[in-house]
Amino acid sequence: EIVLTQSPGTLSLSPGERATLSCRASQSVSSSYLAWYQQKPGQAPRLLIYGASSRATGIPDRFSGSGSGTDFTLTISRLEPEDFAVYYCQQYGSSPRNTFGQGTRLEIK
Amino acid sequence: EVQLVESGGGLVQPGGSLRLSCAASGFTFSDHYMDWVRQAPGKGLEWVGRTRNKANSYTTEYAASVKGRFTISRDDSKNSLYLQMNSLKTEDTAVYYCARGTVAGNDYWGQGTLVTVSS
Repeated sequence: EIVLTQSPGTLSLSPGERATLSCRASQSVSSSYLAWYQQKPGQAPRLLIYGASSRATGIPDRFSGSGSGTDFTLTISRLEPEDFAVYYCQQYGSSPRNTFGQGTRLEIK
Repeated sequence: EVQLVESGGGLVQPGGSLRLSCAASGFTFSDHYMDWVRQAPGKGLEWVGRTRNKANSYTTEYAASVKGRFTISRDDSKNSLYLQMNSLKTEDTAVYYCARGTVAGNDYWGQGTLVTVSS
């Protein structure tokens, strides 16, 4: 089973700053099947990035994804107030399907 | 507009059963894989299972934590997805989401339905 480990657990930044979130896999993940989600309190998750680096429909270009193999990164270039949320990475190519990381909480400093 | 609406959540005693439903609209339901994902209170996301489409023989997969207790089914004529949950445990308490599965991950999610397993 592929285990995804996200770091840091909590990231405290100010609006306008750059955020870098990490997702490390216990074994190689196909880049085609690595996604990132944003979740705000009381809401369902929202797909941000799929295929490691492709933005989902309607996602602002301040969100970008990169990485391959076992190391993946979600970058938010300039934080907006609405970006403070919990972020999850997901691999959806290997059994068991749809493994999620434990999440990174992005909070306002 | 794609919509997924879950229903059927509630309070159930340990060892009991519950059936969740997810009504889909705004897309060709029969073409798509569908997933159930859950989230325990204050915790992260956990994939529960998947049903594939007719072209892939409606095959299903489950997380180890629910295999043998939960069953996913679908009725393409009703654009509906189901999750039959048996032998429920307190650790199954969570918000249960249905989500559309694609090669781009889970691109649409319902609003979730809360299942509470408690005596």
